[in-house]
Amino acid sequence: EVQLVQSGAEVKKPGESLRISCKGSGYSFTDFWFAWVRQMPGKGLEWMGLMDPGDSDTRYSPSFQGQVTISADKSISTAYLQWSSLKASDSAVYYCARLRAGNGPLDYWGQGTLVTVSS
Amino acid sequence: DIVMTQSPDSLAVSLGERATINCKSSQNVLYSSNNKNYLAWYQQKPGQPPRLLISWASARESGVPERFSGSGSGTDFALTISSLQAEDVAVYYCQQYYSIPYTFGQGTKLEIK
Repeated sequence: EVQLVQSGAEVKKPGESLRISCKGSGYSFTDFWFAWVRQMPGKGLEWMGLMDPGDSDTRYSPSFQGQVTISADKSISTAYLQWSSLKASDSAVYYCARLRAGNGPLDYWGQGTLVTVSS
Repeated sequence: DIVMTQSPDSLAVSLGERATINCKSSQNVLYSSNNKNYLAWYQQKPGQPPRLLISWASARESGVPERFSGSGSGTDFALTISSLQAEDVAVYYCQQYYSIPYTFGQGTKLEIK
């Protein structure tokens, strides 16, 4: 069974760094790209970027380029989303999701990680 | 970026009636070499991650009830629920995966009238 299990909720202060994770299981991690999607409180879905964990090729939405870093450790089948300096506006639920067959739809989703940034 | 625009923003339909949600892309998402529309539909219920319902504009995912169907090509698409059930109350999103960034529509909130 394919599963994406994300790390738990985080509460951080502005300016702090953060890395959240997403562990894939039940499939060959390096054979499928993954993506990160943001959902701000009460709002819609925003596509942030994706990575091919096989070769670490990474693409970002222009809206998120330079704001976050997407990475992966294929030895432990885990994807990461990282911030070096959080802002209050980064408060949101972040989902990881697997892309089907290269550039296909998002067929499996993690449960989401709530990030709260507040002073 | 390809802009995805859904209509309406919200929709109230009686149980057993048909519900139709529209999605328009600012650019063509039909890839001519394989004649596939790179368009998906997702359902999101409160407190849950989105669920993939339809891929390639009209291919229903395994386990998705037959009352859900997708149609359209090029720039204009629709998700239809033929007979609304109580469990279909959710927010529905379209998404193009033709070109990066793979943008979503703003979402359509579906409620029971």
